Amino acid sequence: VQLVQSGAEVKKPGESLRISCKGSGYSFTNYWINWVRQMPGKGLEWMGKIYPSDSYTNYSPSFQGHVTISADKSISTAYLQWSSLKASDTAIYYCARQVYCGDDCSTDFDYWGPGTLVTVSS
Amino acid sequence: EIVMTQSPATLSVSPGERATLSCRASQSVSSKLAWYQHKPGQAPRLLIYGASDRATGIPARFSGSGSGTEFTLTISSLQSEDFAVYYCQQYNNWPPYTFGQGTKLEIK
Repeated sequence: VQLVQSGAEVKKPGESLRISCKGSGYSFTNYWINWVRQMPGKGLEWMGKIYPSDSYTNYSPSFQGHVTISADKSISTAYLQWSSLKASDTAIYYCARQVYCGDDCSTDFDYWGPGTLVTVSS
Repeated sequence: EIVMTQSPATLSVSPGERATLSCRASQSVSSKLAWYQHKPGQAPRLLIYGASDRATGIPARFSGSGSGTEFTLTISSLQSEDFAVYYCQQYNNWPPYTFGQGTKLEIK
């Protein structure tokens, strides 16, 4: 199992951005992909997740409306995107795999990507 | 939202000694609690799931215990590669999944 994330980005406030997470070594459509933020010097915050088989998404209330999670199952890739970045979006963003166990159950995050550093500065 | 609180924030331990890390949930999360190890510049690694089950490939010196609101991660004999930040995470009540603020395990 591997989750390969796109490279570091440097953007200006107001710009748009899409970062990616490509899964390999497993059936991409049968697992959730989660996105987790780590701001400088801080801990981990869950942003949301997507089930690539049908692109069903679930967002943290803290991030709903601020980011968009999507996936292209034909290339086993999930995305996290912003339409208008802010300086406060500067962080490392991790994707993490999660076993799908049904609509009413939940599991741990068993594999993680190495993270994408996003720097937003004027 | 369930708040996860880890203690201590920093733990200084000598190699070969035992380390005990704590995690408290603001309400019961049953046994749906995971521990992750995170080193700078690397992907976080799952150590423990279901509060006490070791993930694949995790050495036996790592053990987890607890249920409800109180959880413990114990590293029985610290190796040099174990010095890192450790996070607990609940996955019982979501959204959102929530993490503790982390415990930094450093060499004494």
